[in-house]
Amino acid sequence: KAGVTQTPRYLIKTRGQQVTLSCSPISGHRSVSWYQQTPGQGLQFLFEYFSETQRNKGNFPGRFSGRQFSNSRSEMNVSTLELGDSALYLCASSAMGQGENGYTFGSGTRLTVV
Amino acid sequence: GQNIDQPTEMTATEGAIVQINCTYQTSGFNGLFWYQQHAGEAPTFLSYNVLDGLEEKGRFSSFLSRSKGYSYLLLKELQMKDSASYLCAVSSGGSYIPTFGRGTSLIVHP
Repeated sequence: KAGVTQTPRYLIKTRGQQVTLSCSPISGHRSVSWYQQTPGQGLQFLFEYFSETQRNKGNFPGRFSGRQFSNSRSEMNVSTLELGDSALYLCASSAMGQGENGYTFGSGTRLTVV
Repeated sequence: GQNIDQPTEMTATEGAIVQINCTYQTSGFNGLFWYQQHAGEAPTFLSYNVLDGLEEKGRFSSFLSRSKGYSYLLLKELQMKDSASYLCAVSSGGSYIPTFGRGTSLIVHP
């Protein structure tokens, strides 16, 4: 079956702009979690969506937001980009939330803010 | 919050055995996960421990001691392709959302 698809793979934006990233989970998976990965901080949890509802949220400012559609596809949006937002953004798919089978991650979107 | 510690980097020889340790401090422990991440790629799920003891999966094994807040990932018969970052993640509390350690970069040399 198809894996987790994230688009775009690479993105370059200017400070102050906004960006939208997309994630299509594995068919049948209803939980989508988003993580930010940087060399200094590692993987940091952004938020989790389940059946179109935000179920959990990490400690990121309100500039980071997301949503999930009825087909389980999810988008995350970052407004008023800052240089520090440069990172790899990973989407993780699971049936109900991470359990004994863990997450399946997408290949990520590498965002560079200049 | 949670505190997860792993060594930053380890090196080992092809064919050898390596043990990557992970210590954590948390309340309401639910489970511990190990992921492998090759450079430029997505993390891939390796193992899940919820009870004390050793879980074996081919060349990889993972151990958990909840009372000590300690886990290790054991890699046997190392291959060059095992060169990667290994991430320890702990799930706790009602949300089951895992917190990841910063990862251990393993370098396997001939």
